[in-house]
Amino acid sequence: EIVLTQSPGTLSLSPGDGATLSCRASQSVTRSQLAWYQQKPGQTPRLLFWDGSNRGTGIPDRFSGSGSGTDFTLTISRLEPEDFAVYFCHQYGASPFTFGPGTKVDIK
Amino acid sequence: QVQLVESGGGLVKPGGSLRLSCAASGLTFSDFYMTWIRRAPGKELQWISYIDPSGTSANYADSVKGRFTISRDNAKNSLYLQLSSLTDEDTGVYYCARGHLGLEVWGQGTTVFVSS
Repeated sequence: EIVLTQSPGTLSLSPGDGATLSCRASQSVTRSQLAWYQQKPGQTPRLLFWDGSNRGTGIPDRFSGSGSGTDFTLTISRLEPEDFAVYFCHQYGASPFTFGPGTKVDIK
Repeated sequence: QVQLVESGGGLVKPGGSLRLSCAASGLTFSDFYMTWIRRAPGKELQWISYIDPSGTSANYADSVKGRFTISRDNAKNSLYLQLSSLTDEDTGVYYCARGHLGLEVWGQGTTVFVSS
């Protein structure tokens, strides 16, 4: 089973700051089959990226996804108030598919 | 607007069974793979199972294989998860989602609580 580790656990930032979130896999993720999601309290997860860097429907271009192999990154260029949320990664390159524990981006 | 609504959760004794449903609207249901995911209290999300659009092929996590069965009724735009031989480790919120490689739409979840 591929274990996903996300860092940092919490990121305390201000609106306008940039954010870099990491997702590291215990084994190489086949064909970069990794997704990123955003989840806010009381809401369902929102797909941000699939296959590492393919932007989901309606996702603003201040969000970018990158990486391959065992290291993946979600970057938010300038945080908007609505971006404060939990972000988690999900690999579907090898069964069983697995999820990371999440990174919380909160307001400093 | 695509909407997924889960139902069927509740309190069940260890060893018991339960059937979860996921009603889909706003999409051509028969075109899509569908997935069940759960979150146990205090733990990260866990992928449970997915099923292909026709309902003929499915994949399961080892922890539920032989105990849970995923199925669908495309005529009713519905996805199901039959849970059996439940243990307290099966307690959690169960979500259905559209897709299986990148989950584009999620339901709000239904809670299963296994306790004597």
